Amino acid sequence: AQSVTQLDSQVPVFEEAPVELRCNYSSSVSVYLFWYVQYPNQGLQLLLKYLSGSTLVKGINGFEAEFNKSQTSFHLRKPSVHISDTAEYFCAVSDRQTSGSRLTFGEGTQLTVNP
Amino acid sequence: EPEVTQTPSHQVTQMGQEVILRCVPISNHLYFYWYRQILGQKVEFLVSFYNNEISEKSEIFDDQFSVERPDGSNFTLKIRSTKLEDSAMYFCASSLLAANTGELFFGEGSRLTVL
Repeated sequence: AQSVTQLDSQVPVFEEAPVELRCNYSSSVSVYLFWYVQYPNQGLQLLLKYLSGSTLVKGINGFEAEFNKSQTSFHLRKPSVHISDTAEYFCAVSDRQTSGSRLTFGEGTQLTVNP
Repeated sequence: EPEVTQTPSHQVTQMGQEVILRCVPISNHLYFYWYRQILGQKVEFLVSFYNNEISEKSEIFDDQFSVERPDGSNFTLKIRSTKLEDSAMYFCASSLLAANTGELFFGEGSRLTVL
């Protein structure tokens, strides 16, 4: 079984500031890792995913995340945020070893970008 | 751009009533899912559907729940006898590849309120 913990429920930042949204996971098997974003009144949308290869993954809208196996983390970063990045961000994992279809999500982090 | 559509956007029902939530997945996708999010809690996996059968279900998905793809385009979630604790936002999703490697496309959700 897997679990995901997003350490910050709310992150307020000013426009053009850097941001990091933290995600830690726990799993007895190796996992794939994802970040999804939910803008107000919309469905969840994939930002980026780590399947294999380079531990630094680049996604849409200038976001990137780094997989750290020893710390079981997958933190999301952006060097300079915009007002339009205001949304809820979800970290998720899935089991690498089976062909399962279940994603396990974290609690979500509400990012609010202020002018 | 293709999208997953869900109806209704909001449904209010009395405890014990049957509810059907409808979804139109992206047309060439092969995998279909239902997730739910109780207010203030995590997004939770309910069920996945592939090749006209359930491929995986969670502990939440008991005998009160069923899914169907009746006509090759719609994907429905039925709750036979609703309970207060079924109140949640229900998200439909679809994907071309299995969830543990592919990208899930989510609908905007159907909010179910059970009184």
